[in-house]
Amino acid sequence: DVKVTQSSRYLVKRTGEKVFLECVQDMDHENMFWYRQDPGLGLRLIYFSYDVKMKEKGDIPEGYSVSREKKERFSLILESASTNQTSMYLCASAINYGYTFGSGTRLTVV
Amino acid sequence: AQTVTQSQPEMSVQEAETVTLSCTYDTSESDYYLFWYKQPPSRQMILVIRQEAYKQQNATENRFSVNFQKAAKSFSLKISDSQLGDAAMYFCAYRSVAGGGADGLTFGKGTHLIIQP
Repeated sequence: DVKVTQSSRYLVKRTGEKVFLECVQDMDHENMFWYRQDPGLGLRLIYFSYDVKMKEKGDIPEGYSVSREKKERFSLILESASTNQTSMYLCASAINYGYTFGSGTRLTVV
Repeated sequence: AQTVTQSQPEMSVQEAETVTLSCTYDTSESDYYLFWYKQPPSRQMILVIRQEAYKQQNATENRFSVNFQKAAKSFSLKISDSQLGDAAMYFCAYRSVAGGGADGLTFGKGTHLIIQP
């Protein structure tokens, strides 16, 4: 089974902190994604990557950046966390039309 | 850009009965994939069913089936013999064929399904 592992299930950070959310997949998937999930808004794409060191903005990239130095790891970075970034963050990897999601990180910014 | 609309924020059904969740989408593409995902309280996204747009036959997986109306851009999910374990958020999603899907899935806002015992 393909596994996508997100390093933290719950995270509490202070306003202004730099926050790293880590995602690792154990298959050789080229495509990786970061989504944000909010009640009533569904999942919205923040950034995606189709290869090492390649990254593309999704629908809501403002306030976020990403890093993909190795194929298996895709990191989401909040440069200066703000309270409106309190949300659930889901990572996914994919090959063709097969997507595998992590279990999510619920981030609270206080 | 594609959009996916789920018009039912919440649905409730009695155990063992049938329920249909609605999904419509907007696209100018002729070839694409459509998905239904289930997200229980564990937060794990689970693929329920997938439909390729070029296939006219509706996809079926055990108690789950879809009614795919390409011209109407409609993709509803029918759950037969509802079980308590079906209680979850259900998301409809769209994926382009162009670009190999590297730009990910477009999701609807979700439908919260409640199963009444």
